[in-house]
Amino acid sequence: GQQLNQSPQSMFIQEGEDVSMNCTSSSIFNTWLWYKQDPGEGPVLLIALYKAGELTSNGRLTAQFGITRKDSFLNISASIPSDVGIYFCAGRPFGNEKLTFGTGTRLTIIP
Amino acid sequence: NAGVMQNPRHLVRRRGQEARLRCSPMKGHSHVYWYRQLPEEGLKFMVYLQKENIIDESGMPKERFSAEFPKEGPSILRIQQVVRGDSAAYFCASSLQGDSGNTIYFGEGSWLTVV
Repeated sequence: GQQLNQSPQSMFIQEGEDVSMNCTSSSIFNTWLWYKQDPGEGPVLLIALYKAGELTSNGRLTAQFGITRKDSFLNISASIPSDVGIYFCAGRPFGNEKLTFGTGTRLTIIP
Repeated sequence: NAGVMQNPRHLVRRRGQEARLRCSPMKGHSHVYWYRQLPEEGLKFMVYLQKENIIDESGMPKERFSAEFPKEGPSILRIQQVVRGDSAAYFCASSLQGDSGNTIYFGEGSWLTVV
C-alpha cells in the first residue's frame, strides 16, 4: 500500500520557537490534510490543501502542497503550550476516498 | 469535534464477546469512514460507506468485522468474538460528498479494550 513518511518523529522545542514538519509519499496525492491529535481525542483538522503548489495559512500555522504532489509541509510559528500534541499528515489519491496517514510528529514544549 | 458523534467512548470486552461501535455523522453528511488506530501509530483505513451501501471495505479484516450504515440511524462497526489484538481506538469520520474535494471530519473515537 501507499506509504507516507512523516518527519521528524518527535520534536522538543522551547516556547516561542518555530516548528517545521513534513511528509513525503511514494505516490501522487490529490489532497493533503494536516490534523492534530491530543491524547484520548480524535484528530482535529488544521489545514486542507487541494491544489499542487498551494500555500495555506490558519493563524500561526502554514502548510504547503508540494509541486510534485508527493510531499507537504506544516510550519507552526511562535509555538505556545497548547501546540503540544501529535500532528498527522494525511493524503488522498485521485479518485479514491481513503486517507493514508503519516506516522505522526509528537511535539513537546520544554519549559 | 466537528459534530461527528461516536459512542461509546470507552468499551471493555472480554475475549470472545461482541463489540458494537456507533457513529452519527455530521448533519447533512452521507459518507462515513471508519479508521483504526493502534497505540503510537497513525490511523489506518478500514471501510467507507454511504447510506445502505459499502463502497470500499479493503481495510477491513476478512473475518469477525462488519460495518453498516442503514437508511435510518447511525453507522455501526461490529466486531465479533473479540481478541486482544482488537484493542485499539476506532475513529469514525464523515464527509458531505464522496469526491476528493470534500473535507473529512473525525469523531472523538471509541476506545476498545479487550481483556
